[in-house]
Amino acid sequence: DTEVTQTPKHLVMGMTNKKSLKCEQHMGHRAMYWYKQKAKKPPELMFVYSYEKLSINESVPSRFSPECPNSSLLNLHLHALQPEDSALYLCASSQEGAGSDTQYFGPGTRLTVL
Amino acid sequence: KNEVEQSPQNLTAQEGEFITINCSYSVGISALHWLQQHPGGGIVSLFMLSSGKKKHGRLIATINIQEKHSSLHITASHPRDSAVYICAVVGGATNKLIFGTGTLLAVQP
Repeated sequence: DTEVTQTPKHLVMGMTNKKSLKCEQHMGHRAMYWYKQKAKKPPELMFVYSYEKLSINESVPSRFSPECPNSSLLNLHLHALQPEDSALYLCASSQEGAGSDTQYFGPGTRLTVL
Repeated sequence: KNEVEQSPQNLTAQEGEFITINCSYSVGISALHWLQQHPGGGIVSLFMLSSGKKKHGRLIATINIQEKHSSLHITASHPRDSAVYICAVVGGATNKLIFGTGTLLAVQP
């Protein structure tokens, strides 16, 4: 199984809502990533978890809160988002988190903030 | 100036043509990745290179470390190859991917 799954595929939320994005992999990977991608732009790294511990936070606003409950799951909790946060949110995983590791990407969650 | 530059930004080809996409970078790297993204979402990793050349089906990727340059070639292009192709490097000091701006390829039948 070389698949990273993400739910939901699409999400529309108001600025006062609280929602969560979910990512799952069963490849035994120990590094998991959240990226944000705006239209016609490359992905921007948000967070990296390595062995279930947050290892990189790219100065992401606190309205985005990541969580790694176990080695297969990665969540992104959203609260009080702004319309400019509307984007495609991509999850990825890799074997160990080394630069030479192949990252396996999920299909993404397309988020619209009204 | 971006640390990773790709050219061309947009490319239209006829089915069957040989295609080359270029990537130049200005930082020391430990690895370079070529990624493919179809409209609407998911990204697929095509190659990871640290030296030399790799081939997979109709795709060939090369890297010249001294010149800080990589190329992705597609032989006998097909409309299903239409996608955005992204070059990403792993900077020497970190394990983070530094992405190029992508090349939008359209292959017409």
